[in-house]
Amino acid sequence: NAGVTQTPKFRILKIGQSMTLQCAQDMNHNYMYWYRQDPGMGLKLIYYSVGAGITDKGEVPNGYNVSRSTTEDFPLRLELAAPSQTSVYFCASSYTGYSDTQYFGPGTRLTVL
Amino acid sequence: KQEVTQIPAALSVPEGENLVLNCSFTDSAIYNLQWFRQDPGKGLTSLLLIQSSQREQTSGRLNASLDKSSGRSTLYIAASQPGDSATYLCAPRGRDNFNKFYFGSGTKLNVKP
Repeated sequence: NAGVTQTPKFRILKIGQSMTLQCAQDMNHNYMYWYRQDPGMGLKLIYYSVGAGITDKGEVPNGYNVSRSTTEDFPLRLELAAPSQTSVYFCASSYTGYSDTQYFGPGTRLTVL
Repeated sequence: KQEVTQIPAALSVPEGENLVLNCSFTDSAIYNLQWFRQDPGKGLTSLLLIQSSQREQTSGRLNASLDKSSGRSTLYIAASQPGDSATYLCAPRGRDNFNKFYFGSGTKLNVKP
């Protein structure tokens, strides 16, 4: 199993541009999550999904959108990028969301200039 | 909102020492608490998951304890090795909002040979 994969690994955007961060998992997990991690800080939840077609906001959803059309994929869309969105973005998944472990992807480092 | 604090923020020790990393959280109504390891430029790897009904969980040289009533968890690392050098994060999961993890900002550990 590849686990949780994320693309791209690095990206530089100009202010106002848009992009989609890709996340895929091959573990047949129902729950998927998007986090951002600013330098020296912990992770903050952006959006999560409990299954295909079902998404909900986390702690910091403004400026982002998600969709979940399949169990495997959970892309994160940035519209009108701003410097405040410069961060490292992590995707994670878990089977049930209750008592089991979250598995994380390697992250996407995004810089908005 | 859950606030998570990890002390110390950084720790540098010689190889072989036994270590205690601390995590405190403000809302004791948690479902479980997870300890993660993060290597530089990498994603998070789950180390231990301790349920709210448990007092401790062990894996190899790692032992995590949980005192839910006082809002504290500790991660004990026995006989530290240079390979243990990483940032360690704790993440309690709320009982009422179990889809949301709140992460501490981590303890950066450096184990010197």
